[in-house]
Amino acid sequence: GENVEQHPSTLSVQEGDSAVIKCTYSDSASNYFPWYKQELGKRPQLIIDIRSNVGEKKDQRIAVTLNKTAKHFSLHITETQPEDSAVYFCAATDTGRNFVFGPGTRLSVLP
Amino acid sequence: GAVVSQHPSWVICKSGTSVKIECRSLDFQATTMFWYRQFPKQSLMLMATSNEGSKATYEQGVEKDKFLINHASLTLSTLTVTSAHPEDSSFYICSAISGQAGEKLFFGSGTQLSVL
Repeated sequence: GENVEQHPSTLSVQEGDSAVIKCTYSDSASNYFPWYKQELGKRPQLIIDIRSNVGEKKDQRIAVTLNKTAKHFSLHITETQPEDSAVYFCAATDTGRNFVFGPGTRLSVLP
Repeated sequence: GAVVSQHPSWVICKSGTSVKIECRSLDFQATTMFWYRQFPKQSLMLMATSNEGSKATYEQGVEKDKFLINHASLTLSTLTVTSAHPEDSSFYICSAISGQAGEKLFFGSGTQLSVL
């Protein structure tokens, strides 16, 4: 089955700097890769996603890149703000039914 | 995005009692819903996949008699923790796939269960 790894597990950046979180997946059949942001005690919120027919997608300060050959995808946050502090989860799925999540990255944006 | 409602948001119960958690898709129909358990500072652990009109599919190590799942309609799935014990205390979250939103996965707000 699919296995998703995520690095780093914790990340601290200064406000205004960029943050990058990387995920790798094992199943080459996976074709949809969403990213979720979870604040303490709250639900994971879908912030951006990418499908396998696209190499990059951007939404304001957030972007995701996908390298199908290497089977990895990354989340990029530019001009980080304190409200970006949260736990971020990547996920991969092939059928759209079985979503496999990474272990999460705790991002702290320091003022 | 699609809205998934989960109730209650928190519950405290005595050991040995049963607790029911509801997960509703408010603006879309969901033939499949998922139930997760999340421990502090850890990832989402899939417990079971809830299928409308049929039996749920449980992940390895999850006791189906302990965690009863019912998905009787296209908008409602329930998780009942039977004979709860302190070790069942956790954050439980449901999710549902919205076909209308492009087969994307949306989460409920979670339920913090504390068993005394």
